[in-house]
Amino acid sequence: SQQGEEDPQALSIQEGENATMNCSYKTSINNLQWYRQNSGRGLVHLILIRSNEREKHSGRLRVTLDTSKKSSSLLITASRAADTASYFCASYLDSNYQLIWGAGTKLIIKP
Amino acid sequence: DTGVSQDPRHKITKRGQNVTFRCDPISEHNRLYWYRQTLGQGPEFLTYFQNEAQLEKSRLLSDRFSAERPKGSFSTLEIQRTEQGDSAMYLCASSLLDEQFFGPGTRLTVL
Repeated sequence: SQQGEEDPQALSIQEGENATMNCSYKTSINNLQWYRQNSGRGLVHLILIRSNEREKHSGRLRVTLDTSKKSSSLLITASRAADTASYFCASYLDSNYQLIWGAGTKLIIKP
Repeated sequence: DTGVSQDPRHKITKRGQNVTFRCDPISEHNRLYWYRQTLGQGPEFLTYFQNEAQLEKSRLLSDRFSAERPKGSFSTLEIQRTEQGDSAMYLCASSLLDEQFFGPGTRLTVL
């Protein structure tokens, strides 16, 4: 089963532009995480936002969380070729240890 | 490198054969997870260990799949009587808290 659904499925932008990806989830969460996956480095944790937080920053990343709409967004500013990857949101199912993932957004940064 | 390691990185087997994969987590991490990922999808949770105890197992996991973490350190995932539908990337992750650290994965191809 999928807890999160990312939107769009694919995104292609020019280097230097900002990229925004959205994630919707189904059940209540304690926190939501974003991960990046590319062929070179595999799956890497980017940022975690807790249910009592509305916005969080990490370098060029900005994540927002709207628990009333059960949605989150990931903004990557000033994109670089190295940002080309698939981006996934994931959250734990209720209070157990199953991290449930969406299908991801495939981001391509054109030089 | 003190990250999560997995062995082998690639495995090709014939249908009906048994295969076993190994995961070595980050040494101080007490939590260990196995996931399966197919092309274009996010990881799918298979099972979770806290120390040596297997605390959660996906309902989707058939009886042909078994996992162990005998001393709370490395873990093995065995698939018996492999089927072509088992072809996928098998990912291992470890954590202390909610952020998970992933290994490079084992790509299984069942002919």
